[in-house]
Amino acid sequence: EDKVVQSPLSLVVHEGDTVTLNCSYEVTNFRSLLWYKQEKKAPTFLFMLTSSGIEKKSGRLSSILDKKELFSILNITATQTGDSAVYLCAVLKLTSYDKVIFGPGTSLSVIP
Amino acid sequence: DGGITQSPKYLFRKEGQNVTLSCEQNLNHDAMYWYRQDPGQGLRLIYYSQIVNDFQKGDIAEGYSVSREKKESFPLTVTSAQKNPTAFYLCASSIRQKVSDQPQHFGDGTRLSIL
Repeated sequence: EDKVVQSPLSLVVHEGDTVTLNCSYEVTNFRSLLWYKQEKKAPTFLFMLTSSGIEKKSGRLSSILDKKELFSILNITATQTGDSAVYLCAVLKLTSYDKVIFGPGTSLSVIP
Repeated sequence: DGGITQSPKYLFRKEGQNVTLSCEQNLNHDAMYWYRQDPGQGLRLIYYSQIVNDFQKGDIAEGYSVSREKKESFPLTVTSAQKNPTAFYLCASSIRQKVSDQPQHFGDGTRLSIL
């Protein structure tokens, strides 16, 4: 059965800390891995990763995929209170439709 | 601005009552999806539609129904057969992935509670 596992499930850090969120997956017919940020409402798209070893960056956020180890990490440097959210990892499968398998999310709280 | 609009934001249902959640998008996306989110769990797919007048069951379709009469609209009905409907419901849309690798975009969700 397809599954996406995230760790830790929750995390509390102080402003300025660097955090690493983990995502591992066992999904057949892998196409790409996605990261979303969810602040109470709509998940907003962060990254889509398709190739191993190529880091994607957006400001203080970066992510990389290891397709051999079936693993991805999301790094956030110099965290701010606005980074507090649930971070969702998801895998897009190659199927007849756009099937996306979501992990449970990591709840990040950044305290001043 | 283009986006996905879900309404209402909060909805209360009495036992035995059907309720309909609205989802409208003006992104000109072909594909639309309904997910359910429960605390501590990932999003689970209820129904999806790749084109107008066609839709398919997802992983947890029992107790739900949908229609896709227009490209912009994909309403979800939570029927009385759904025994545990209290959850956060998210609608999403995307360009069909066979055309390009684009992520799904989400609405702000509807929180459904049982009275």
